[in-house]
Amino acid sequence: DAGVTQSPTHLIKTRGQHVTLRCSPISGHKSVSWYQQVLGQGPQFIFQYYEKEERGRGNFPDRFSARQFPNYSSELNVNALLLGDSALYLCASSLDPLGDSPLHFGNGTRLTVT
Amino acid sequence: GIQVEQSPPDLILQEGANSTLRCNFSDSVNNLQWFHQNPWGQLINLFYIPSGTKQNGRLSATTVATERYSLLYISSSQTTDSGVYFCAVVTSGTYKYIFGTGTRLKVLA
Repeated sequence: DAGVTQSPTHLIKTRGQHVTLRCSPISGHKSVSWYQQVLGQGPQFIFQYYEKEERGRGNFPDRFSARQFPNYSSELNVNALLLGDSALYLCASSLDPLGDSPLHFGNGTRLTVT
Repeated sequence: GIQVEQSPPDLILQEGANSTLRCNFSDSVNNLQWFHQNPWGQLINLFYIPSGTKQNGRLSATTVATERYSLLYISSSQTTDSGVYFCAVVTSGTYKYIFGTGTRLKVLA
């Protein structure tokens, strides 16, 4: 079975632009979460979606938004990019939203903002 | 919020050596996972271990939830074990994993 897939793998954007990152969960997983990992730190929670509804949001500005589609895939959108948004963006999927089953991560999208 | 501390922060081993990584958390947790992040950034599941002991080949993990810590044991280390090891916890009724500070491991040939 395919794991969590993310696209694109790498992306270079300019300050002020917007970006859309995509994620397909493991088949059968209805929960998708997004994490941001800046260099030298652990991943930080951004959003969780379950059954197409937002279930949680981390401490990120409104420039960050996300959605989940009927097939449970998800998009993360970031508007008005700042240099500090440069990071590895990780998508994870799980069977349930409350940590009662393991979290599985994709390989990430490495975003560079110049 | 819950604090998750890992020790040691950095570790250098010769190939074949054994090591123990520790994860302390400041509050009760619903679940805990150990991950290995390889040099290419991939986060790989090692263990899903809210309590008890599990083993997978050269790796094993123990979580003592009542004492708020978890240990990851690596035996006969190999160069491919290099990378950063994270523990991550989720508290009851919540939806987000809180990651620890990480242990950066380098195994020398």
